[in-house]
Amino acid sequence: AQKITQTQPGMFVQEKEAVTLDCTYDTSDPSYGLFWYKQPSSGEMIFLIYQGSYDQQNATEGRYSLNFQKARKSANLVISASQLGDSAMYFCAMRGYNFNKFYFGSGTKLNVKP
Amino acid sequence: DTEVTQTPKHLVMGMTNKKSLKCEQHMGHRAMYWYKQKAKKPPELMFVYSYEKLSINESVPSRFSPECPNSSLLNLHLHALQPEDSALYLCASSHLTPGLARGYEQYFGPGTRLTVT
Repeated sequence: AQKITQTQPGMFVQEKEAVTLDCTYDTSDPSYGLFWYKQPSSGEMIFLIYQGSYDQQNATEGRYSLNFQKARKSANLVISASQLGDSAMYFCAMRGYNFNKFYFGSGTKLNVKP
Repeated sequence: DTEVTQTPKHLVMGMTNKKSLKCEQHMGHRAMYWYKQKAKKPPELMFVYSYEKLSINESVPSRFSPECPNSSLLNLHLHALQPEDSALYLCASSHLTPGLARGYEQYFGPGTRLTVT
């Protein structure tokens, strides 16, 4: 069975500072993928970043990086230089062998303060 | 272009009405998904279509009826809904072919906010 855990229901960060959103996962599949999505109050889920289980390097996409620690089963999202527009709900997600099926964490609500 | 469109944006319907939600993508994706999302909760998978065939039904009540007329379109037909069905309904799509998308990431539409009265 697949499980994703996000333990931070809400977080605050000062504008221009970096913030780390935590995500841990559990799976018995040897090959899996990890994703982060952003959901503003408008509702759309925006794909941010992907990390494959066999990737040797941590994924980066602009101001987003994924701190992947396979032995600890963690896939934390790091947002550098936070902006007011980063205020949103962030979901960590995982897929296993059945790549059609995504498992989502409970989400972290990030508030960026000016 | 990574756009998935959904219509309508908002829908209010009575418990005896029949309505449909529509979703469209032109990214060449061959998998399409319907999710239901309640406030402050993660999306819950309802249905998956792979190559225009229903591949996953997460034990969704029959008052929700999906349809995939072609590889770009996905509909969700609604009939005799209950107030607890009020939610944000999200459509998503993804590649199925290895090599076209490294992670098979799903791209979501803006959603339809459904209220059942």
